[in-house]
Amino acid sequence: GAGVSQSPRYKVTKRGQDVALRCDPISGHVSLYWYRQALGQGPEFLTYFNYEAQQDKSGLPNDRFSAERPEGSISTLTIQRTEQRDSAMYRCASSLRAAEPQHFGDGTRLSIL
Amino acid sequence: AQKITQTQPGMFVQEKEAVTLDCTYDTSDPSYGLFWYKQPSSGEMIFLIYQGSYDQQNATEGRYSLNFQKARKSANLVISASQLGDSAMYFCAMREDFGNEKLTFGTGTRLTIIP
Repeated sequence: GAGVSQSPRYKVTKRGQDVALRCDPISGHVSLYWYRQALGQGPEFLTYFNYEAQQDKSGLPNDRFSAERPEGSISTLTIQRTEQRDSAMYRCASSLRAAEPQHFGDGTRLSIL
Repeated sequence: AQKITQTQPGMFVQEKEAVTLDCTYDTSDPSYGLFWYKQPSSGEMIFLIYQGSYDQQNATEGRYSLNFQKARKSANLVISASQLGDSAMYFCAMREDFGNEKLTFGTGTRLTIIP
């Protein structure tokens, strides 16, 4: 597709469940980023990949959060044992290479009941 | 200290007027990039414009220009001839080149264009 695609667009789940959020970057983009955006705030960095290598995961809040990009294209952000405080918009972005402008997907709105 | 500061939570501007959205930044890296993104009420994050710290000229993209004042550490977005469709949240962001490639965002400015 032309842009960054994220699925699902909306996810509602009960506290304690695991969730997996998917990101399909722009074709050919080497770098892929995950951010989390609270309502009324700017996005906050979670982690990023160059190809399949996770370069930085310093923004992941705790060990319940993990991400992978096994073939250097699609990425999955997984949250285990979800908590209400995990509710937010999760955004994925990709860039042609590191240092190029990042292009964002429309996000996954995650709500934990 | 905040790395990106946007001091205008909200702005109202008459249609067809120019508008300046303020952004100041804080970094000790000699090499960095500054970005502006637009977020309409529909929620997308739309890349608008980029300025590299070593760029000699201010960046321009159509009606958008970036007023880059390196000594003052400011990177204000200027929108000329504003349109109703410019109503949105605008975020300034910085990438510091040494260390990692993450973007650090400001808190945003909500711009409303009045007909």
